[in-house]
Amino acid sequence: AQSVAQPEDQVNVAEGNPLTVKCTYSVSGNPYLFWYVQYPNRGLQFLLKYITGDNLVKGSYGFEAEFNKSQTSFHLKKPSALVSDSALYFCAVRDQAGTALIFGKGTTLSVSS
Amino acid sequence: DVKVTQSSRYLVKRTGEKVFLECVQDMDHENMFWYRQDPGLGLRLIYFSYDVKMKEKGDIPEGYSVSREKKERFSLILESASTNQTSMYLCASTRGGAGKGYTFGSGTRLTVV
Repeated sequence: AQSVAQPEDQVNVAEGNPLTVKCTYSVSGNPYLFWYVQYPNRGLQFLLKYITGDNLVKGSYGFEAEFNKSQTSFHLKKPSALVSDSALYFCAVRDQAGTALIFGKGTTLSVSS
Repeated sequence: DVKVTQSSRYLVKRTGEKVFLECVQDMDHENMFWYRQDPGLGLRLIYFSYDVKMKEKGDIPEGYSVSREKKERFSLILESASTNQTSMYLCASTRGGAGKGYTFGSGTRLTVV
């Protein structure tokens, strides 16, 4: 069965510092991996995805994620955090059979000025 | 841009009522999904549909049913609302293909009293 783990409920960083939000997954075969962001009282917005190819994926708002097959991880990163990045972040996975996305429990990112 | 519209932003219903949550997408997507979002639990899949009149149970279908009579509309039905169904409900859609991300609606926050 597919699963996603986001081991941190909350990540706190200071503005201007690099940020990492962690995600590990379990899936049969090759994974399709996604990151979404949710601002208060809003739906989820797509940030980036890994399907195949380069392990470093670039997405919206300066975010990027690194796919690591041996560690079954897909951590979200940004070189310099902004206060406006404060939100709830979800990692999601799907296998090649491609039915529904399975989401992690979410990580709240708090960026302080 | 694809739009996924959920008809109500906030709903308050009484225990035992039959509740309809409506979702409409405007980009001819084959697949539609209903998730509920609860703090600390992330997004959990209730039902999904990959074609008109087709439906599949997700991880937590108990107490819910769905209807997809037209391609653009996917309705979630709470047959007899209970207080433990108080939650944020998110609808999403996607074109077929495992590598496709979802487009989410803004969500319906349902309170059952």
